[in-house]
Amino acid sequence: EAGVTQFPSHSVIEKGQTVTLRCDPISGHDNLYWYRRVMGKEIKFLLHFVKESKQDESGMPNNRFLAERTGGTYSTLKVQPAELEDSGVYFCASSQEDWGYGYTFGSGTRLTVV
Amino acid sequence: AQSVSQHNHHVILSEAASLELGCNYSYGGTVNLFWYVQYPGQHLQLLLKYFSGDPLVKGIKGFEAEFIKSKFSFNLRKPSVQWSDTAEYFCAVNALMDSSYKLIFGSGTRLLVRP
Repeated sequence: EAGVTQFPSHSVIEKGQTVTLRCDPISGHDNLYWYRRVMGKEIKFLLHFVKESKQDESGMPNNRFLAERTGGTYSTLKVQPAELEDSGVYFCASSQEDWGYGYTFGSGTRLTVV
Repeated sequence: AQSVSQHNHHVILSEAASLELGCNYSYGGTVNLFWYVQYPGQHLQLLLKYFSGDPLVKGIKGFEAEFIKSKFSFNLRKPSVQWSDTAEYFCAVNALMDSSYKLIFGSGTRLLVRP
């Protein structure tokens, strides 16, 4: 079974630029989550998709962040325009159930905004 | 607010030493508890989880954790660590918040095992 794939693995962009992160979940997993870890702090929830619908986006920091999940398959997270405080590691996870039994995480995208 | 506290941010041990990483959570409802590990350059992996039943749970690679409800704790233990256990360890609670389940993580503990 292929795992959760994220790319790019690393991205360095200048403040004010736009970056798009992609996540390919495990095939058949309806639930897709984005999490973020900033500056070595705790990993924090950003949002949760069920298929193509946003179930919960309460963790999105502001309107510079836009997440989509086309056709209930892969998801993108766009940051526009990027700010210095957006630097961190962005994790994606997928699961069949929504209650955390079988989360599988991707290896993350390390975003550095300079 | 719901939170997870990991008291040790950095731990350095020699091989064969015993390990205990502390985790306390703050959440009033029914909890599902997890320990995840991230080895250098790899993705987050599930070490073990507690949903119900025996509060002493065993996970992969010889790790175990004990859920003590009265202390709101879920400490991770291993009797004898190996160099390959060098990694970052995260405690997490699965909580129902804002109409969906989400993981609430602690800030992580970096473990360095010296050969």
